[in-house]
Amino acid sequence: LAKTTQPISMDSYEGQEVNITCSHNNIATNDYITWYQQFPSQGPRFIIQGYKTKVTNEVASLFIPADRKSSTLSLPRVSLSDTAVYYCLVGDKWGNQGGKLIFGQGTELSVKP
Amino acid sequence: DAGVIQSPRHEVTEMGQEVTLRCKPISGHNSLFWYRQTMMRGLELLIYFNNNVPIDDSGMPEDRFSAKMPNASFSTLKIQPSEPRDSAVYFCASSPQRGSRYTEAFFGQGTRLTVV
Repeated sequence: LAKTTQPISMDSYEGQEVNITCSHNNIATNDYITWYQQFPSQGPRFIIQGYKTKVTNEVASLFIPADRKSSTLSLPRVSLSDTAVYYCLVGDKWGNQGGKLIFGQGTELSVKP
Repeated sequence: DAGVIQSPRHEVTEMGQEVTLRCKPISGHNSLFWYRQTMMRGLELLIYFNNNVPIDDSGMPEDRFSAKMPNASFSTLKIQPSEPRDSAVYFCASSPQRGSRYTEAFFGQGTRLTVV
C-alpha cells in the first residue's frame, strides 16, 4: 500500500483557487491516484482519478508530475459549498489495497466568505 | 439507480441491545464495504466483501460485530451487544468489478448510531 501524506487542514476564501498536494513517494508503476471528497454528514464521493500529467473534469483538475511522487488536486474558484474533507488514495483503479478502499486522514478544507 | 441505500438513517439504542444496519448496494457492483467514522479515528474500513464473500474482516473491532451478505443486493452489519463506544456513523459503499471501465466507489448516506 503506497503511503500518502497530505496536509491535515487548509483554509481558503471564496473565489480563490485551492491546491491540495498529496505526497506518495513509493507509488508503484501501475498505481493510479484517486481523490474523494466528503461533505459533512455525507459519505465520500469520487471526484477525480489520474495516472500521469493532467486530468480535468467539471469539478477539479489533477496535476501529476513526471516522477509521480506527488499529485495536486486543484479546485478553481472555490465556494462555501466546497468546504469538505478531501482524501488522496493511491492504488489500482478500483481500490488501494488488494481491492479494498482505505482512507487516510484527508485534508479538511474550510472555505470562508 | 438510486445509489447505495442504507437503513435506518438514525438509530438510538440502549447499551446491551442488538443493532442491525442494512445496506442495498448498487446493482451490478460486486464489491461492498462497511466503514465506521468517528472524529477520533476517522473513516475505518470494517469489512470488505467481493461477490458476496467476506474477503477481509480484519477491521471488525471485536466479536460483537458481524456482517453478512446473503445475496448481491443486501448486506447487514450487526452489533450485539452494543456499547456506547460503538456510537459512530456507519457507511456502506459499493464499487464495480475490478476490470470494469467504471472505477468509482459509491457511498450510502450513512447510519448515525447512538448507543446510550
